Amino acid sequence: GAGVSQSPSNKVTEKGKDVELRCDPISGHTALYWYRQRLGQGLEFLIYFQGNSAPDKSGLPSDRFSAERTGESVSTLTIQRTQQEDSAVYLCASSLGVGVSSYNSPLHFGNGTRLTVT
Amino acid sequence: GDSVTQMEGPVTLSEEAFLTINCTYTATGYPSLFWYVQYPGEGLQLLLKATKADDKGSNKGFEATYRKETTSFHLEKGSVQVSDSAVYFCALSVRRGSTLGRLYFGRGTQLTVWP
Repeated sequence: GAGVSQSPSNKVTEKGKDVELRCDPISGHTALYWYRQRLGQGLEFLIYFQGNSAPDKSGLPSDRFSAERTGESVSTLTIQRTQQEDSAVYLCASSLGVGVSSYNSPLHFGNGTRLTVT
Repeated sequence: GDSVTQMEGPVTLSEEAFLTINCTYTATGYPSLFWYVQYPGEGLQLLLKATKADDKGSNKGFEATYRKETTSFHLEKGSVQVSDSAVYFCALSVRRGSTLGRLYFGRGTQLTVWP
C-alpha cells in the first residue's frame, strides 16, 4: 500500500484481556518502530525492528508487552493481561533503515490504534 | 541521555501572526533534528529536518535552524494560516557508529490559528 497501515483503528477491551495490534509497513522499509502516545503526553518509544530482529526493546514497559516481526514486513504488538494504564494510541512507523543515508530517512507513521481498557 | 524539551502549549494565534515553538535538546552523540506535524485526524508526518550544525530545514513556510551552541531547533513561521492548526513535535535521532538511532520526541505543542 501507499502508507503504513495499522489495525484495528480502535480497540476497546476489558481489563485482564490480551490484545494484539497489527502494523503493515511501507513495502521495502526494513526499519519498523512502535511508539505509544498517552492522552496529553508525548510519544513514548516502545521497540524498534531492523528486519526481523529487535536491537532495541528498551521501551517496552513490562513483560506483558511483546512484539514480533516476520518476513521483514508485518509486525504485531501484543499486550497481555491489559491494565487501564495501557490505554493509549499505539503508533507504528517505518523507514528505509539501510545504509548510512538511512540515518536521516524520515519515519512514516500510521494513523495508530486507539486502545481503551475498561 | 538523549532527550528533547519542547515548549508546552497550547498556542493560540490569529491568522498572519508570527509563530515560534521552542525546542532544545540533549544528545550524547551526533544528532539529527526533526519537526513532525500531526494534523487533525491524520498521522504524524515529517515537516522538516536538519542533519548538522547550522543547517536550516524549511518546508511550507516553516523554518528551523540547528544551533549547536544553544542546543536548539526552534520552529518559526512568519505568517500562520488557519490550515497550520495542528500538533507539532520536535524530535531527535542520534547515530552511534553503524547503529540507526531511534527518534526521541518532545511532548508536542498544540497550535490553533483563528481567522
